[in-house]
Amino acid sequence: QKEVEQDPGPLSVPEGAIVSLNCTYSNSAFQYFMWYRQYSRKGPELLMYTYSSGNKEDGRFTAQVDKSSKYISLFIRDSQPSDSATYLCAMLIQGAQKLVFGQGTRLTINP
Amino acid sequence: GAGVSQTPSNKVTEKGKYVELRCDPISGHTALYWYRQSLGQGPEFLIYFQGTGAADDSGLPNDRFFAVRPEGSVSTLKIQRTERGDSAVYLCASSLTGTVDLETQYFGPGTRLLVL
Repeated sequence: QKEVEQDPGPLSVPEGAIVSLNCTYSNSAFQYFMWYRQYSRKGPELLMYTYSSGNKEDGRFTAQVDKSSKYISLFIRDSQPSDSATYLCAMLIQGAQKLVFGQGTRLTINP
Repeated sequence: GAGVSQTPSNKVTEKGKYVELRCDPISGHTALYWYRQSLGQGPEFLIYFQGTGAADDSGLPNDRFFAVRPEGSVSTLKIQRTERGDSAVYLCASSLTGTVDLETQYFGPGTRLLVL
């Protein structure tokens, strides 16, 4: 079993929809949680990070962490075609530097 | 430069050959990371440098893989006796210090390696 599980999709939704992306993890040592966005043939870019259970909002994006359930989510409101990309969750153990990524979910927003 | 750069962008080689992949980190960044991303998968950690030294090489899959960063800036990932299973996108990232929790890692566009 992988340390971080993420449904690869693909996920296709109409423009303006609310998108929900999720990851589960098995390692209780993970303390930091990130979401990266990766466009085709590009490197991942950091979208959001959080380190505590609860919600964190940044514009149209909300990251949610539930450490008791080992479950994290990313919500995208008012989705745009430019949001079409692969979304990767990533996690870190405190004091470590190596990111542990999920498989990535490929998202398409249809105009 | 403004971001992390990697060369070549694409590399095709034959099974058994030796390849070198280069990474130029963001100027002033002390920490440098290599990841490997297979098709349809998330990146997997290979090695992390603090300055010139490898601080964590636990992700290198076997002794055919080796990386150096002799002057604490540019890094080269070296793969000997390439195998078809080495085909993947090799991503490089850098961060300012590599010693602070949650420090952003900035990724390059990757080198696409295809072993025939």
